[in-house]
Amino acid sequence: GAVVSQHPSRVICKSGTSVKIECRSLDFQATTMFWYRQFPKQSLMLMATSNEGSKATYEQGVEKDKFLINHASLTLSTLTVTSAHPEDSSFYICSALPAGGKRSTDTQYFGPGTRLTVL
Amino acid sequence: GIQVEQSPPDLILQEGANSTLRCNFSDSVNNLQWFHQNPWGQLINLFYIPSGTKQNGRLSATTVATERYSLLYISSSQTTDSGVYFCAVERPTGFQKLVFGTGTRLLVSP
Repeated sequence: GAVVSQHPSRVICKSGTSVKIECRSLDFQATTMFWYRQFPKQSLMLMATSNEGSKATYEQGVEKDKFLINHASLTLSTLTVTSAHPEDSSFYICSALPAGGKRSTDTQYFGPGTRLTVL
Repeated sequence: GIQVEQSPPDLILQEGANSTLRCNFSDSVNNLQWFHQNPWGQLINLFYIPSGTKQNGRLSATTVATERYSLLYISSSQTTDSGVYFCAVERPTGFQKLVFGTGTRLLVSP
């Protein structure tokens, strides 16, 4: 149980185009999902928190107009990288917190990641 | 903000060897976790351990919250243990908002 999927697993796009990445919780409902970015050989950095039915909250330094997040259902959050540039090339990872989770002890379940390359 | 440093940054082991990975954090935390990121990028939860000691097979972890560090022990290492090990702590002001450490890259050779 507690499986999170991401689609696509890899994507290559041209500079200036937009790319959508999906994060799905397959066997549980998630009112909260998180989006992380990981540059090569670096750690994960939290980009934003996605809450079902409300606006996402972004971490300091993350452009909300560039990284659009939509959490339209209890099992799906999407991250759209708009007007992508080569510096947006990175590994994007989502995680999902099962609905009802209110404690620090609750576990986030991580997706397998999406590798974005912008040419 | 809270700082999370891990050591060593890189580690190469012969199969069967034991190792200790360290995680230092700069502030009091409610939540500390250890993760293994496999070579394909998937993160796997290893331990939730804000304090005390836990064991799971060949892995064990100890957190001394008062001294702001945690240790991950790997015994009888196997090639499948290769990957990057991260500790992560919950920000004091952010529910479930994790701050990941700098990571330890482990390579276990046969």
